[in-house]
Amino acid sequence: DSGVTQTPKHLITATGQRVTLRCSPRSGDLSVYWYQQSLDQGLQFLIQYYNGEERAKGNILERFSAQQFPDLHSELNLSSLELGDSALYFCASTTGGQVGYGYTFGSGTRLTVV
Amino acid sequence: GQNIDQPTEMTATEGAIVQINCTYQTSGFNGLFWYQQHAGEAPTFLSYNVLDGLEEKGRFSSFLSRSKGYSYLLLKELQMKDSASYLCALNRDDKIIFGKGTRLHILP
Repeated sequence: DSGVTQTPKHLITATGQRVTLRCSPRSGDLSVYWYQQSLDQGLQFLIQYYNGEERAKGNILERFSAQQFPDLHSELNLSSLELGDSALYFCASTTGGQVGYGYTFGSGTRLTVV
Repeated sequence: GQNIDQPTEMTATEGAIVQINCTYQTSGFNGLFWYQQHAGEAPTFLSYNVLDGLEEKGRFSSFLSRSKGYSYLLLKELQMKDSASYLCALNRDDKIIFGKGTRLHILP
């Protein structure tokens, strides 16, 4: 157990729907990162939050949004889902805003859009 | 992703040595990571090179040459459990940018 908790582990939903993925960072970690991993694209950085504030944005679609709450857990909202959004979604956390010696990853949420 | 290039797949034999190369086209980064990822699982940290040279950690070693834009991960005494993807990644602007990874197959 890495200490980073992601729920749910699996999600199957239909095109056009909206889902919320949840991440609880490791105790004491202030920074949360979201990544998308599809078969042909590798791990793509989506967005980073640090202590409740958005810190950096990657290739995140406008249909996707995220936030980090006062208790430091984070949610990634995906709306108007398309088949191509099917992927593994990982969150990772670090103590501060710098990656230092790497992330601690959660076990991921596998999203299947049908 | 983002100008990080690795071979897509490699095959090696149990007990042998394999070297996985990574090239990148940027000079602005703090360090270079190698991660291991088994299918369907989260990536796990293997190594981090900040300075040029070789870092050895048990059966795994990682090398970085900033002037050549090149890194490699060396795996010795291969075991079947080493069958996984190996991701080269750069620490840039306080986030990690990953390559697409190299899928390593180990034959008995």
